[in-house]
Amino acid sequence: TQLLEQSPQFLSIQEGENLTVYCNSSSVFSSLQWYRQEPGEGPVLLVTVVTGGEVKKLKRLTFQFGDARKDSSLHITAAQPGDTGLYLCAGGYYGGSQGNLIFGKGTKLSVKP
Amino acid sequence: NAGVTQTPKFRVLKTGQSMTLLCAQDMNHEYMYWYRQDPGMGLRLIHYSVGEGTTAKGEVPDGYNVSRLKKQNFLLGLESAAPSQTSVYFCASSYSWDSYNEQFFGPGTRLTVL
Repeated sequence: TQLLEQSPQFLSIQEGENLTVYCNSSSVFSSLQWYRQEPGEGPVLLVTVVTGGEVKKLKRLTFQFGDARKDSSLHITAAQPGDTGLYLCAGGYYGGSQGNLIFGKGTKLSVKP
Repeated sequence: NAGVTQTPKFRVLKTGQSMTLLCAQDMNHEYMYWYRQDPGMGLRLIHYSVGEGTTAKGEVPDGYNVSRLKKQNFLLGLESAAPSQTSVYFCASSYSWDSYNEQFFGPGTRLTVL
């Protein structure tokens, strides 16, 4: 069974602060996705990274895939209350009973005005 | 487009009762998935389907059955509900099996088994 560890599990910050969420594994993944989930809704894809060392930016969000394709990070600059939600990383691989995506347990972010 | 829809949104069952959760997608996706989400456990795959008429077991299939009679629908059945099946169930679909493809999720069904 492959595992993805996310940290921190919970994060409560003030509007305007910066934060980083980490996603780590001992396994190599073919790709790494980040999803955001709001209460009462399903996860929605934010970004997919596929190349070791890849960095993608989405407005104030910066995503990085580790060189060895075993870890990833999500950095948010100047967080806003609208960033509040559950952030899930998902590692991609082929085959196995876990399907084609392994999900981390998530980081619950709360941004206070 | 409605995307992925799930019926019902909420359900309360007594131990031993049965029910079927319905998932429908209008994106003509071949691949469909059923996950359960529990506090502190993340999303875990129950069953998945790689096309009409085909299904496969995921990580936590015990106590569940599925059917994919039509391409756009994926049904999840609980034959004899147990309290351990209290969870939020999400259906998802994707265009291909490639892991870099986006999975589109429904809004979820919150199931409580008493």
